[in-house]
Amino acid sequence: NAGVTQTPKFRVLKTGQSMTLLCAQDMNHEYMYWYRQDPGMGLRLIHYSVGEGTTAKGEVPDGYNVSRLKKQNFLLGLESAAPSQTSVYFCASSWPGTNQYFGPGTRLTVT
Amino acid sequence: KQEVTQIPAALSVPEGENLVLNCSFTDSAIYNLQWFRQDPGKGLTSLLLIQSSQREQTSGRLNASLDKSSGRSTLYIAASQPGDSATYLCAVRPMIKAAGNKLTFGGGTRVLVKP
Repeated sequence: NAGVTQTPKFRVLKTGQSMTLLCAQDMNHEYMYWYRQDPGMGLRLIHYSVGEGTTAKGEVPDGYNVSRLKKQNFLLGLESAAPSQTSVYFCASSWPGTNQYFGPGTRLTVT
Repeated sequence: KQEVTQIPAALSVPEGENLVLNCSFTDSAIYNLQWFRQDPGKGLTSLLLIQSSQREQTSGRLNASLDKSSGRSTLYIAASQPGDSATYLCAVRPMIKAAGNKLTFGGGTRVLVKP
């Protein structure tokens, strides 16, 4: 039982490049989330999903897209990376109304 | 819009001292409040969850209180140990039945327990 896993762990991008972050969970959770964490600002919700095939915007969705084609996977895409997207990205999953379980994070640097 | 604040941003105490971590929130219409621990380079681990109807929750050396009317929660860690060094974050879930269990996080308090 791996819980929530994230791929990759680290990535460096040049401005304008694109990439996809993968989150996978093996707990059969309905809900999945993508957050970003910047120094001193806690975690801010980017996008979330309440079930396979559904997505919704969070607090800071601009510049990101997501997809949930399979229940266990939640993908976060950056179409044209900007230095302002340098951050640590966390994925989480949960059942409705219960604790969220977090992945280990992906550290992204955009130069 | 809900805002969650944690002061101080950093705290250093000698081993054995009790830790007191503060969390305040602006909108008292919360469903629950959760405390997390984050180790450097790691994800978040849930420590305690307090429902809005509860006043406190305890787990081992950890005790969290909630005063919804004043918008405050306090996490107490008794007899601190070097292994308690980490960043502690609080997060609130709104009362409104918005889809998704969305959480609003504070900025965290970075704790160092010196041997």
